[in-house]
Amino acid sequence: DAKTTQPPSMDCAEGRAANLPCNHSTISGNEYVYWYRQIHSQGPQYIIHGLKNNETNEMASLIITEDRKSSTLILPHATLRDTAVYYCIVRVNNAGGTSYGKLTFGQGTILTVHP
Amino acid sequence: DTEVTQTPKHLVMGMTNKKSLKCEQHMGHRAMYWYKQKAKKPPELMFVYSYEKLSINESVPSRFSPECPNSSLLNLHLHALQPEDSALYLCASTPTGTGVKPQHFGDGTRLSIL
Repeated sequence: DAKTTQPPSMDCAEGRAANLPCNHSTISGNEYVYWYRQIHSQGPQYIIHGLKNNETNEMASLIITEDRKSSTLILPHATLRDTAVYYCIVRVNNAGGTSYGKLTFGQGTILTVHP
Repeated sequence: DTEVTQTPKHLVMGMTNKKSLKCEQHMGHRAMYWYKQKAKKPPELMFVYSYEKLSINESVPSRFSPECPNSSLLNLHLHALQPEDSALYLCASTPTGTGVKPQHFGDGTRLSIL
């Protein structure tokens, strides 16, 4: 799976948009971009994923550049409860007879949302 | 609340003890995972079970022994652990099959080795 690079920490004011970047310059054509977050004392939580189109769900939006070498996770209106470590992961989907998927976590970005 | 339940939430044990961690899910997922997470570090994969069979062992020491007795339950048996094994142990599960299958994580068992 391709390696990702994320800033170690970011701050965001409550109510503002949080834009978390991720660099994955060695991504392969069949690798998806996944985002998870881990709030203190909890297990990681899936947020969103994408291949090459921009994606949006109830939690966040994912913007992937046309060359797919980087992406940005957007939390449109950050709240204090969004303070967490955010992990960007690239990997192939379960395919080719493999019935499971392997996640390799990088160091992630510590997002602190302040009042 | 998570759909993957791990017990106990906290465990303190001596280096000569034998204990087990338990993970349970009732979502019908047939792939289950154990991860280890040291303080301020990302989770690291230990084992993967697919259809109750061990599919991946990431060179984990034999003092950690996984077991998948049925499709809903995953255990991690611990014996003769070292202080450096103190960590948060996370369980996860996914549906099997092709396509996008995000992993569902439990909140972990925090293990301390005396």
